[in-house]
Amino acid sequence: KAGVTQTPRYLIKTRGQQVTLSCSPISGHRSVSWYQQTPGQGLQFLFEYFSETQRNKGNFPGRFSGRQFSNSRSEMNVSTLELGDSALYLCASSLKGQAGELFFGEGSRLTVL
Amino acid sequence: DAKTTQPPSMDCAEGRAANLPCNHSTISGNEYVYWYRQIHSQGPQYIIHGLKNNETNEMASLIITEDRKSSTLILPHATLRDTAVYYCIVTNGSSNTGKLIFGQGTTLQVKP
Repeated sequence: KAGVTQTPRYLIKTRGQQVTLSCSPISGHRSVSWYQQTPGQGLQFLFEYFSETQRNKGNFPGRFSGRQFSNSRSEMNVSTLELGDSALYLCASSLKGQAGELFFGEGSRLTVL
Repeated sequence: DAKTTQPPSMDCAEGRAANLPCNHSTISGNEYVYWYRQIHSQGPQYIIHGLKNNETNEMASLIITEDRKSSTLILPHATLRDTAVYYCIVTNGSSNTGKLIFGQGTTLQVKP
């Protein structure tokens, strides 16, 4: 059974640009969550989607957005990039979305110059 | 969600048991204790969870005190591959969809 797949794994952007990250959950999982990990703040919850609806949201500015498609694949977008957005972005999937046994991908490492 | 307190770092000799403590004194009756670990440059990996009773799976054992204010994750025979950051999390999963609150965790260094 394939795990959670995130693309791209690494990317470099400059300030002011935008970026889109993709996440394919485990087959059959309908919930996708996104997390940001930085050395200073650790792992922080961004948002969660279930059946194409955002059900839960963390404390991040509106520049961070996401969506989920009918096949449960999800994308997150960060607009007007800032240096502080440099981070490892992790996607996690679960069957129903209950915040327990989440399956994480390897992450997308974003560097903003 | 309740907060947790973990020691920032621990060492363990290879082949010995690693006992990782966690304090969660404000845990509510309907909150579970979850343990995850993150090996360098990888996504977090679920290890085990429990509510009241002790739990064991192929990876580890979880011992929860009777008052539920603390717990211990036990890796019975630590290997070098167990070197990772271990996170103890308490959560009412059904009301916090997809959201886990990660603290700083315990960095476990397994030494040969």
